[in-house]
Amino acid sequence: DQQVKQNSPSLSVQEGRISILNCDYTNSMFDYFLWYKKYPAEGPTFLISISSIKDKNEDGRFTVFLNKSAKHLSLHIVPSQPGDSAVYFCAVRSGGTSYGKLTFGQGTILTVHP
Amino acid sequence: KAGVTQTPRYLIKTRGQQVTLSCSPISGHRSVSWYQQTPGQGLQFLFEYFSETQRNKGNFPGRFSGRQFSNSRSEMNVSTLELGDSALYLCASSFSSGGYNEQFFGPGTRLTVL
Repeated sequence: DQQVKQNSPSLSVQEGRISILNCDYTNSMFDYFLWYKKYPAEGPTFLISISSIKDKNEDGRFTVFLNKSAKHLSLHIVPSQPGDSAVYFCAVRSGGTSYGKLTFGQGTILTVHP
Repeated sequence: KAGVTQTPRYLIKTRGQQVTLSCSPISGHRSVSWYQQTPGQGLQFLFEYFSETQRNKGNFPGRFSGRQFSNSRSEMNVSTLELGDSALYLCASSFSSGGYNEQFFGPGTRLTVL
């Protein structure tokens, strides 16, 4: 039972354009949402997060949008750069006694072409 | 500030052996979580430790265990290794357990079981 889904295994965009990565979740108890970027042979790098009380959070070129009614999370990267090419994971946390447990999506491979 | 460090980076073992992996969190972080990454299952939560206590545990057999020391360093142990235990084992640290705390990952330990 996949609680967090990234339905696009891969995404290809041109340098300078917008990259939009999507993530759907099933459990309305999730209250904290994060995006990570991962290069081969490295651990995931934290990018940006949003709590369930907000619907948008922005940090430089990265913006995360949360649509709680649709249980949908998206990451926008504008403008995209070749160095953004990596695997992107969304991760979610539920409140209560889950403490530090994060549930990850399967990842989306982003390729930004020069 | 130094990041999360994991040792060893690479490990080769044979079936039936046991292995111990080590993780040193970011200075000041008291929560350490462990994840297993495989191509088929993605990133799966193993367990989380905070102040030397296991706070949460994922759906892994009892062969997987861990502990945390008073300096917040953590170890995980896998006994009676199976071929399916071959994976990248990632450690993540955060300032506190739960709440809106980002988890910062180490580079991982690549375990190969022959």
